[in-house]
Amino acid sequence: QSALTQPASVSGSPGQSITISCTGTSSDVGGYSYVSWYQQHPGKAPKLMIYDVSNRPSGVSNRFSGSKSGNTASLTISGLQAEDEADYYCSSYTTSSTRVFGGGTKLTVL
Amino acid sequence: VQLVQSGAEVKKPGESLRISCQGSGYSFTTYWIAWVRQVPGKGLEWMGVIYPDDSDTRFSPSFQGQVTISADKSISTAYLQWSSLKASDTAIYYCARYRDPFDTRVPLEYWGQGTLVTVSS
Repeated sequence: QSALTQPASVSGSPGQSITISCTGTSSDVGGYSYVSWYQQHPGKAPKLMIYDVSNRPSGVSNRFSGSKSGNTASLTISGLQAEDEADYYCSSYTTSSTRVFGGGTKLTVL
Repeated sequence: VQLVQSGAEVKKPGESLRISCQGSGYSFTTYWIAWVRQVPGKGLEWMGVIYPDDSDTRFSPSFQGQVTISADKSISTAYLQWSSLKASDTAIYYCARYRDPFDTRVPLEYWGQGTLVTVSS
């Protein structure tokens, strides 16, 4: 199984909105609503930000939202803050009953 | 819920290694545990999972046959094992628990602190 495709980097100014895409196939992203997004700060373990395409775990800011269309899922962060600067990874359940991650996107807050 | 992993390891190519992940604060036997690799400076890679109650395992094709995943439910601990390490195994390895019991479709919600494995001659 191949990694899901994410842009290597995105950037935005404080207060702006950014969107990170995550493209897979009908065997993963397109076939299920089991897409999740993780935030990882340097030297830290990943943190779950979005699950089941668009649900936020308790405690995650409502500035984070998710969506999906066909084989592509998206994470949108609105009202960018300096603390949002991190790496972001998408992940999907697959037809092989396994999971696959995206290659990761580095978000820079200008 | 806590997942506590064993400490950093430095090994030589060809050596064997087993790292651990001890769960607490929940029913260890009923939640799948995953292992995730992160090569320094690179992305996350899902390696495989284990269901501690019966040790059912599933692997990514990339890691099938390269590692062994096991669990000892009597001490609430999952393991990741190599029989012959390679330099390319140098990475941080995370264990993570799925959000809901019995199910691997749900997200990985709880993560260990990671174990750095360095393989160098």
